[in-house]
Amino acid sequence: GAGVSQSPSNKVTEKGKDVELRCDPISGHTALYWYRQSLGQGLEFLIYFQGNSAPDKSGLPSDRFSAERTGGSVSTLTIQRTQQEDSAVYLCASSEQGASETQYFGPGTRLLVL
Amino acid sequence: GESVGLHLPTLSVQEGDNSIINCAYSNSASDYFIWYKQESGKGPQFIIDIRSNMDKRQGQRVTVLLNKTVKHLSLQIAATQPGDSAVYFCAEVNQGGKLIFGQGTELSVKP
Repeated sequence: GAGVSQSPSNKVTEKGKDVELRCDPISGHTALYWYRQSLGQGLEFLIYFQGNSAPDKSGLPSDRFSAERTGGSVSTLTIQRTQQEDSAVYLCASSEQGASETQYFGPGTRLLVL
Repeated sequence: GESVGLHLPTLSVQEGDNSIINCAYSNSASDYFIWYKQESGKGPQFIIDIRSNMDKRQGQRVTVLLNKTVKHLSLQIAATQPGDSAVYFCAEVNQGGKLIFGQGTELSVKP
């Protein structure tokens, strides 16, 4: 079946502009996660959605970062007033029910802020 | 704080040899661990997982060992192939459902 998809695959933007990154989780998965991966580094947790519960935003690095999940499916990660240090790969993952379930990752969006 | 780390940043093996990738974790309360493989330009791909009530779990050519006494996790790959070349991450799932990743070990397979 279809896996997690993300768009765009690559995004180049100018410092100060806003960007929106999209994630389509695996159909039926109730949990959705966003991570950030800087070059040659591990993954940094950003935010976690589980069903209708309030999202866990504890990993968001600043108030310029926000995320929504509409209808319990598609999610959008928004970065406002982008900075050069925001350049990274942004990965989305979903799991069937949440904690202690295997997370399946999308291919990521490579963001470059000039 | 919570952290999961890998002992070696790079590992080079000969094709056909067995590979062992190690990982240390710090949160003794974690009960679920996962190994991911990440090829260049792709997202992490699930390899194998293990829960804390187990010491060993085997998959196809891969085995994960968990030593809770010393908080150590390892991934063994049998008969390593060129297609196994990638960065391998161990990850710990904490009580909040977050994956805590280590820095990764880059496995390079020489033909």
